[in-house]
Amino acid sequence: GAVVSQHPSRVICKSGTSVKIECRSLDFQATTMFWYRQFPKKSLMLMATSNEGSKATYEQGVEKDKFLINHASLTLSTLTVTSAHPEDSSFYICSARDTGTNEKLFFGSGTQLSVL
Amino acid sequence: AQSVAQPEDQVNVAEGNPLTVKCTYSVSGNPYLFWYVQYPNRGLQFLLKYITGDNLVKGSYGFEAEFNKSQTSFHLKKPSALVSDSALYFCAVRDRTGGIKTIFGAGTRLFVKA
Repeated sequence: GAVVSQHPSRVICKSGTSVKIECRSLDFQATTMFWYRQFPKKSLMLMATSNEGSKATYEQGVEKDKFLINHASLTLSTLTVTSAHPEDSSFYICSARDTGTNEKLFFGSGTQLSVL
Repeated sequence: AQSVAQPEDQVNVAEGNPLTVKCTYSVSGNPYLFWYVQYPNRGLQFLLKYITGDNLVKGSYGFEAEFNKSQTSFHLKKPSALVSDSALYFCAVRDRTGGIKTIFGAGTRLFVKA
């Protein structure tokens, strides 16, 4: 079945540095990918919709200059957390829809970001 | 606006007993409905979906869910729970009339005791 690969699975960084998270669709083309943030024991918060070849669509309250999204190809979207701070520590998950499989989403395995 | 409600933060059930995880939704059009499961420190895995047709949908690992339009519900069920079913379960909805975003419920943690 369709697979979405997310890397890295875990990253620890110092406050003020930037972190890039990659999301790849391995066996299908994804014109649209989604980035979620999950807090402990909480639901998924949709951060943004990543569109191949165009600007991402950010949800209300999500800082687009802080969470940079690039979707340069049909199989790769990246999320860069710029100038990370401890409050950015969270579990970030990407997903993609394979429109050939009746609407379901395929999820990456998530990235646990810890900002010291 | 779309929304999904999972009224129970946690469901406890003994192994071998039937389980139900509740979900109600609000969407302006006709919905696509989904259940996903998340194991610790992992992404979500697809369980089942309702697109059209039979209101009773069967999915992975013996789970099923029933679409009830009048009650706007899509409860997840399994006749006999396993300890390995213990995980976090998310109900999700997408408005098929043009929306591209999938909205998730808050999640329900299922504990199955041996």
